Amino acid sequence: QKEVEQNSGPLSVPEGAIASLNCTYSDRGSQSFFWYRQYSGKSPELIMFIYSNGDKEDGRFTAQLNKASQYVSLLIRDSQPSDSATYLCAAFYSGGYQKVTFGIGTKLQVIP
Amino acid sequence: DAGVTQSPTHLIKTRGQQVTLRCSPKSGHDTVSWYQQALGQGPQFIFQYYEEEERQRGNFPDRFSGHQFPNYSSELNVNALLLGDSALYLCASSLGLAGVHNEQFFGPGTRLTVL
Repeated sequence: QKEVEQNSGPLSVPEGAIASLNCTYSDRGSQSFFWYRQYSGKSPELIMFIYSNGDKEDGRFTAQLNKASQYVSLLIRDSQPSDSATYLCAAFYSGGYQKVTFGIGTKLQVIP
Repeated sequence: DAGVTQSPTHLIKTRGQQVTLRCSPKSGHDTVSWYQQALGQGPQFIFQYYEEEERQRGNFPDRFSGHQFPNYSSELNVNALLLGDSALYLCASSLGLAGVHNEQFFGPGTRLTVL
C-alpha cells in the first residue's frame, strides 16, 4: 500500500465547474497535508496546506481534511483552463526531521 | 525575496559518470530537501539537510550523497550514473525542522538525462 494515494486521472471538468481532487494516506502520524500544483515540465507550486480537521478556504480553493478517514481533498471552484495541471497531495511529518511523502498526482483538465 | 534557485537547468550525462547539482534555499530558510521526480510520478524524497548534517534519508542508494554549506546552500552528488537516474531533481527549502506549518518551497529543478 502506497503511503499517499491519488487517482492519476485525468479528471476532466468543464470551465466554471467545481473540480474535486482526492487523496488518502496511510500514516496516521502525518501531521499536515499540502497541495501542490505542477504544470508540465515545471516544479511543484504550493497551493495550500491543512492540518486541522475540517475545511480551509483560500480564494477559489478549499482543502478538506478528515483524519479519522485519513482523507484529504481539494476543491477548485469556478475552474479555469489555467487550472489544468497535475495536483500533488503530500503528507507531512515533523519531529526532529521532516518527512514529506507525495502521491503520484492527479492530472486535471479544464475544458473551455 | 529570492526564491529557491537550482543549477544547472538541464544536464546530459552518460552512464557511469558523476554529476553534481546545486541548490540555494529561499531567503531566510535553513533546511534543504532533495527529491527525484521521474516522468509521471510524484517527487520521491532523497534526503534532507539541516545544520550541515543529513537528517533524514529516503530509499536511495549510497551513490546519492549530499552536502550543506554554512550559507545553507546544498549539493546533490550522484555517482556511477544509471539510465534510471534520468529524472527531474527538485530542491525544496523550509525553515527549521519543527512545526506543522513548515511548508516546503520548490526550486525550478534540474532535468538530468543519462544516455
